[in-house]
Amino acid sequence: KAGVTQTPRYLIKTRGQQVTLSCSPISGHRSVSWYQQTPGQGLQFLFEYFSETQRNKGNFPGRFSGRQFSNSRSEMNVSTLELGDSALYLCASSLNRGYYEQYFGPGTRLTVT
Amino acid sequence: ILNVEQSPQSLHVQEGDSTNFTCSFPSSNFYALHWYRWETAKSPEALFVMTLNGDEKKKGRISATLNTKEGYSYLYIKGSQPEDSATYLCAFPYNNNDMRFGAGTRLTVKP
Repeated sequence: KAGVTQTPRYLIKTRGQQVTLSCSPISGHRSVSWYQQTPGQGLQFLFEYFSETQRNKGNFPGRFSGRQFSNSRSEMNVSTLELGDSALYLCASSLNRGYYEQYFGPGTRLTVT
Repeated sequence: ILNVEQSPQSLHVQEGDSTNFTCSFPSSNFYALHWYRWETAKSPEALFVMTLNGDEKKKGRISATLNTKEGYSYLYIKGSQPEDSATYLCAFPYNNNDMRFGAGTRLTVKP
């Protein structure tokens, strides 16, 4: 079974621009979660999508948004980029919600200059 | 605010030593407790998902216990090997799938 894939792997953007990251979950997995990892902050939950609906959202501003398509693929968008958005963005998929283990993708390293 | 605390923050052991770390989580509204291993330059990898008080899970030399009443879980590694060097994360799914991760325990095993 193919693992979770994320594109692009690396991205450099300028302040004020917007960015879209993509995540393809493991086939059959319906839940996709997004996380931000910055030095000293650990993994911070962004949001979770299940059956094309956002089910949970972490404590992030409205500039962070996402969506999920009918094939469970998910995208996240960050508008009006700030320097502090520089981070590793990980997505994870699971078979269902709650007590199912999550499978993580390789991440997208975003640098905002 | 839901806090998941892990200790120690980092640990250096010699090859062959056994070690353990702690994850503390809110004991009310318990649903599940996840453990992940995150090696440098790789993605986090699931170790265990624990759901029942008193649960003990084992994978090779790694095992974990769970106490939901007092809100803690221990992860044990028996006979540590250099390939066990990684950051070990625990996570608590708040509100079904809003995963709250601890800051992790960074383990370094010296040959």
